[in-house]
Amino acid sequence: TQLLEQSPQFLSIQEGENLTVYCNSSSVFSSLQWYRQEPGEGPVLLVTVVTGGEVKKLKRLTFQFGDARKDSSLHITAAQPGDTGLYLCAGARKTSYDKVIFGPGTSLSVIP
Amino acid sequence: GAGVSQSPRYKVTKRGQDVALRCDPISGHVSLYWYRQALGQGPEFLTYFNYEAQQDKSGLPNDRFSAERPEGSISTLTIQRTEQRDSAMYRCASSSPGLAGFTGELFFGEGSRLTVL
Repeated sequence: TQLLEQSPQFLSIQEGENLTVYCNSSSVFSSLQWYRQEPGEGPVLLVTVVTGGEVKKLKRLTFQFGDARKDSSLHITAAQPGDTGLYLCAGARKTSYDKVIFGPGTSLSVIP
Repeated sequence: GAGVSQSPRYKVTKRGQDVALRCDPISGHVSLYWYRQALGQGPEFLTYFNYEAQQDKSGLPNDRFSAERPEGSISTLTIQRTEQRDSAMYRCASSSPGLAGFTGELFFGEGSRLTVL
């Protein structure tokens, strides 16, 4: 059973378009992280959200943590080819704040 | 270097052999994680340590897999009697607690690519 679900699984868009990817669970998380992974590399942290309803912005990326702390979204404005990669959400549950599990990922391809 | 170091980077072995994968975390990091990752998929949790204590090993697929971190620094993931289905990228990550005790940033190594023939 996948504790974290991500959608869509694959996304191919033109440069300049906007997109949103989703991370969902039936479980409550004490914190949720988003990572980006490029081919041949390990995942690299983009953001950590810890408060229900929290919104964080990182340049053209906007992250939101759901009010119930069961879901999150990542919105990218005016996507660029450099945004191409595998986007992973990762959560830690309240009962074990440092056990970090990952979702299956969204593979994003931005076409010039 | 200052990052997480894994060795070997590549390991090819025959079915039935034992393999040991090593992870040297960032100095001072409390937590150390082992994941297995298929191409294009998210990392699959195997086990993790805080200092030398193994906190959770629920992700280890079966009893052929074991891990240790005896001095709270370097960790070894051992797979006994390897099978072809064990072929994968094995990734190690380390972290320290984040602000207010929330999850800190995980820093990943380059991974160990295991191929079982």
